[in-house]
Amino acid sequence: GESVGLHLPTLSVQEGDNSIINCAYSNSASDYFIWYKQESGKGPQFIIDIRSNMDKRQGQRVTVLLNKTVKHLSLQIAATQPGDSAVYFCAESLTGGYNKLIFGAGTRLAVHP
Amino acid sequence: DGGITQSPKYLFRKEGQNVTLSCEQNLNHDAMYWYRQDPGQGLRLIYYSQIVNDFQKGDIAEGYSVSREKKESFPLTVTSAQKNPTAFYLCASSIVRGGRGQPQHFGDGTRLSIL
Repeated sequence: GESVGLHLPTLSVQEGDNSIINCAYSNSASDYFIWYKQESGKGPQFIIDIRSNMDKRQGQRVTVLLNKTVKHLSLQIAATQPGDSAVYFCAESLTGGYNKLIFGAGTRLAVHP
Repeated sequence: DGGITQSPKYLFRKEGQNVTLSCEQNLNHDAMYWYRQDPGQGLRLIYYSQIVNDFQKGDIAEGYSVSREKKESFPLTVTSAQKNPTAFYLCASSIVRGGRGQPQHFGDGTRLSIL
């Protein structure tokens, strides 16, 4: 069935380092992917999205990579800052539905000074 | 500023009581969604609505009800039939564009607990 999963539940990095958060998806027909950031007690905040006709998309300090061959998605955060500490979720969607997003369980990013 | 407002931030329910969570958006989005989040888990879809006066069950609709009388509003009622209602409830909205995936924008949630 459809599912989105994450390889690492917790990722600890030093301030200033680059972070890479990984996500595996199981539905090869999914064609839209999103990364969200969720801080404690708040709702998920949109970071970046990518459609299946792209392999890479860049934002401000963030890059999303999509490897459709192995059904893998990653979020790269450059020069990680303490304010980046949060739980990160990937989600997938399939064209033709009702914009249903399927979320993974999330990865906690802890940034240490 | 445009956004999604959920209220209250904290809510307590007594046994046998129905409670209603409010969600209002001023983003002019056609679609609205309700999710439930349990500790350490991802979001699970309760109900969604793509247009006023229409809504559909999501993956975990049992024990919940919704209405969509106005484009801006999508209230969720947690009924007494929901035996494990303690969770963080999140409302979201998005544009609708030809069935293609679109980002959903979230409110800051309501935390519901049992007294």
